[in-house]
Amino acid sequence: DTAVSQTPKYLVTQMGNDKSIKCEQNLGHDTMYWYKQDSKKFLKIMFSYNNKELIINETVPNRFSPKSPDKAHLNLHINSLELGDSAVYFCASSQGVALAKNIQYFGAGTRLSVL
Amino acid sequence: AQKITQTQPGMFVQEKEAVTLDCTYDTSDQSYGLFWYKQPSSGEMIFLIYQGSYDEQNATEGRYSLNFQKARKSANLVISASQLGDSAMYFCAMREGWSVGGFKTIFGAGTRLFVKA
Repeated sequence: DTAVSQTPKYLVTQMGNDKSIKCEQNLGHDTMYWYKQDSKKFLKIMFSYNNKELIINETVPNRFSPKSPDKAHLNLHINSLELGDSAVYFCASSQGVALAKNIQYFGAGTRLSVL
Repeated sequence: AQKITQTQPGMFVQEKEAVTLDCTYDTSDQSYGLFWYKQPSSGEMIFLIYQGSYDEQNATEGRYSLNFQKARKSANLVISASQLGDSAMYFCAMREGWSVGGFKTIFGAGTRLFVKA
């Protein structure tokens, strides 16, 4: 069983469209994250939820909206997609926010291409 | 300012030899955690090893060990007996304590390791 699964794996869409990426973890973790990895492989945190509560909200455009319906799910909705949104988006989860529990387990990534 | 610095964009190592990937970090916090992740060409991010700032012993996980030098603020990853499957991108990361960095984990730019047969 995949521990952190995100769908879809690939997403190709036109500028201006709205799209969602789903993430689910079956590890029983309390904390989930969204990261963006750009073309130079630089990985940056976007959002984090702990027990469905938003705890990290980095300076991302408000076209990006995370939604956590329960502890096991953290979805990412993106409105009005732009060319610069093209990247690989990773979902991750960790047991908690305490340092020793902050080992993050990542999904396989979603490669988003905006045309 | 860069909080995590990986100075080696690319490294080559002969199969079966050991290799050290460098990582230095910058923090004013006393409590922090250091992590290494591996990203093979298939794209997934794989956790390798964790070191807490108060841990007295260097962390080890199988062929991976973390050479933690607190005074120098370095957390180098040592891979022993390299295998072809170790060819990948390696990321060093740090999570500062709540008092400073909040809950964010900061990643370095990565080092691409090539293992030669």
